[in-house]
This record gives sequence, structure tokens and C-alpha cells, in this order.
Amino acid sequence: QVQLQESGPGLVKPSQTLSLTCTVSGGSISSGGYYWSWIRQHPGKGLEWIGYIYYSGSTYYNPSLKSRVTISVDTSKNQFSLKLSSVTAADTAVYYCARWGVAGNFDYWGQGTLVTVSS
Amino acid sequence: QSVLTQPPSVSGAPGQRVTISCTGSSSNIGAGYDVHWYQQLPGTAPKLLIYGNSNRPSGVPDRFSGSKSGTSASLAITGLQAEDEADYYCQSYDSSLSGSHVVFGGGTKLTVL
Repeated sequence: QVQLQESGPGLVKPSQTLSLTCTVSGGSISSGGYYWSWIRQHPGKGLEWIGYIYYSGSTYYNPSLKSRVTISVDTSKNQFSLKLSSVTAADTAVYYCARWGVAGNFDYWGQGTLVTVSS
Repeated sequence: QSVLTQPPSVSGAPGQRVTISCTGSSSNIGAGYDVHWYQQLPGTAPKLLIYGNSNRPSGVPDRFSGSKSGTSASLAITGLQAEDEADYYCQSYDSSLSGSHVVFGGGTKLTVL
């Protein structure tokens, strides 16, 4: 059973960079066949796809966030990470990591972590 | 606003049937991309409910079913139960001049009366 767990600061100051890591257990990122994703949910709102990465390092980002987002992978630690630069209060959200399969859906999700942008 | 349009809320009494629509366009659902559905119970992460338009993952009751036609898709829930009260999201893929990316509906809150 694949499990994903987000970690990182719950509070980030405006204009700084939000950094989160997702640790995958029960399966290897390097085995291929899946993209490893970040999704966020603003308080009381819907889901917004941020981007995903393949184990090889290929990345795909939401065009609306592309200029501020970097997703990276560390296969040795079975982790992948999100960096979102120049954050504002509008980036306050629950951030989820998830596995995206070739069928086009997200089949495993982390529990989510709330990141608040505030001074 | 979301690329995929869902009604903000639906409701039904226990035992009834409800449907949730997901309307897209020629650049996503109408382009042939599959639609997937997620259930999000309060305070929890979304859970895959329907994949590939109409397929249920193992463990999902057959009370839940999905369909797709043209630029829209629907989620149907029969024999409504109190535990079905949750937010439901559709998801697909969009390919346009701005790029190709995953898209979600705005979500529908299901209330069991």
C-alpha cells in the first residue's frame, strides 16, 4: 500500500519561498509509471493542480503557477519536493502530494498540510 | 473559476438517487480526455471514487457510478446514505494554447437530508 506524507513549515512569510517535501513509502518513485504531484486547496475552496514530476526529473506545471513553481525529486530518499516562490496570502492553502497514473487520475494522496502565509 | 463546471450543491434524502454534473469543453472532456471523480469527506484528503469515466476502484460501493457524453460527465449516487455527505470533485485534462494540464471542477457539496 503506497503512502505519502507531506512535511514542511506551516507558516511562511510573504515574499518568501514555500518549501514542502513528500515522502513516499510502500513503493519506489524510481519504479516508473507514475507522476508525483502537488495539489493545493484554498480554505473552503476547490482543488488546484500545481504540477508533477517523473522519477527522471521531467516536470509539468500549471501554466498559472509555472513562473513561481519548482518541483524536484530525490530518488535516493524516495521523496519529491515543492518550492513556490514569492508567496502572498493568496497562497495560503492545504497542500497535498499525490500519485498520478497513466490513467490520468490521482490514486494515492497524502493527508495534506496547511501552509499559512502571514507576517 | 474552474475549467470544469459543477453545481455548488446538491441534496437528497436517504435512499434517493442524486446526480452531479461536470461540464467541460472541446479542449478537455470533449477532446476525449477521461473524467475521474473524487470524494472528500470533511477534514480529509480526497479519495478516488471513479476513474476512467465509469470505473470504480476496489472497495467503492456500486452505488456510485459515472458516465461521460460529449463535453460533460456525471456522477450518480443511488441509495443515498448519511455517510455519503461530502464534497465531490471531477477531474480531467485540458489541452489548449496555454498548455496542457490537469484540471478540476469547482466541487459539489452533497447534503443528505
